[in-house]
Amino acid sequence: DIQMTQSPSTLSASVGDRVTITCRASQTISTWLAWYQQKPGKAPKLLIYKASSLESGVPSRFSGSGSGTEFTLTISSLQPEDFATYYCQHYNSYPYTFGQGTKLEIK
Amino acid sequence: QVRLQESGPGLVKPSQTLSLTCTVSGGSISRGGYFWSWIRQHPGKGLEWIGYIYDSGSTYYNPSLKSRGTISLDTSKNQFSLKLSSVTAADTAFYYCAREGGHSYLDIWGQGTMVTVSS
Repeated sequence: DIQMTQSPSTLSASVGDRVTITCRASQTISTWLAWYQQKPGKAPKLLIYKASSLESGVPSRFSGSGSGTEFTLTISSLQPEDFATYYCQHYNSYPYTFGQGTKLEIK
Repeated sequence: QVRLQESGPGLVKPSQTLSLTCTVSGGSISRGGYFWSWIRQHPGKGLEWIGYIYDSGSTYYNPSLKSRGTISLDTSKNQFSLKLSSVTAADTAFYYCAREGGHSYLDIWGQGTMVTVSS
């Protein structure tokens, strides 16, 4: 299986900050990567697919980049509703796997 | 707008079979081009992809389930289901159903349902 490793596990930031979360794959996955946001008690929500494509309805302050084995999710100016847990997921081959998550906390 | 909703018992005894159903509304499950998936999340933990079924009936399961999983489709009810046999406490988790665009990302998720394995 392809292992996905996110860093950091926890990130403390303030409203208005620019933050970046990193996701590394144990082998190359081209750009077959998605990012999800999950709030407590809710299902994950798709933010980014194909590493850098923004899902319809997702604010433009979210962006993704990368290819191969290293990827980033950037939030350009944090809003109060962005404090949540973020997961990356590859869909290069089955079984799909997710990163362990990055919890974005209010500083 | 396509919506997914999980249903099933919230409590299952050890060694029994966990059975969940996902009802799809706002679109036909047999329209084609989509893989209908199950994902679970142990409390306070990360996400684990369980498997999918395609509208042709073809399936794929995560090998981590050790052949305990079965996913089926009922096009007449616009539903798909998950059965997980010989459950243990390690199967206690939130279970989500989701739509995948065929070797692709999971774009629509159900709200999830908690299943506890306990005697």
